[in-house]
Amino acid sequence: GAVVSQHPSWVICKSGTSVKIECRSLDFQATTMFWYRQFPKQSLMLMATSNEGSKATYEQGVEKDKFLINHASLTLSTLTVTSAHPEDSSFYICSAATGTSGNNEQFFGPGTRLTVL
Amino acid sequence: AQTVTQSQPEMSVQEAETVTLSCTYDTSESNYYLFWYKQPPSRQMILVIRQEAYKQQNATENRFSVNFQKAAKSFSLKISDSQLGDTAMYFCAFMNGYSGGGADGLTFGKGTHLIIQP
Repeated sequence: GAVVSQHPSWVICKSGTSVKIECRSLDFQATTMFWYRQFPKQSLMLMATSNEGSKATYEQGVEKDKFLINHASLTLSTLTVTSAHPEDSSFYICSAATGTSGNNEQFFGPGTRLTVL
Repeated sequence: AQTVTQSQPEMSVQEAETVTLSCTYDTSESNYYLFWYKQPPSRQMILVIRQEAYKQQNATENRFSVNFQKAAKSFSLKISDSQLGDTAMYFCAFMNGYSGGGADGLTFGKGTHLIIQP
């Protein structure tokens, strides 16, 4: 149980285009989903927190107009990188939590590698 | 804001040896959680062990155990009888706790690349 999927696993796009990444909790309902970014040989940095049916909360320094997050259902959150540029190339990882009292474990997706040419 | 520091960028030990990875953190919160995650070359994040700050007893999961020193804000990971499959990046992570449960975003350290030599 507690499986989280991401799609696509790898995407290459041209500079200026938009890319959508999906994060799905396959066997549980995720009231909260998180998006992280990991540059090569670096750590994970929290980008934003999304709760189902609410606007996402972005970390300081993350452009909310560039990284659009939608959490329309209890099993799906999407991250759209708008007008992508080469500096947006990175590994994007989502995680999902059930949010039940006393259960604070996050389950991670396998990640999406974004390459912007 | 909290910070997590891992001072060992890379460590290498022989198979079957015991290795300890260090982690310190800084927070003004009293209720929080600490985690160790493993990230193998596949880059899938795998939870190794977790510790609730209000629990004095150190967490243990098979060959993995922690030494949680709350006053010193230290949270080290000990791997006993290391195996080749333990080779990976290891990240220490912090999460704020809420009285109502739920989850918050994780703050990660920079990681330690652990190499187990045959």
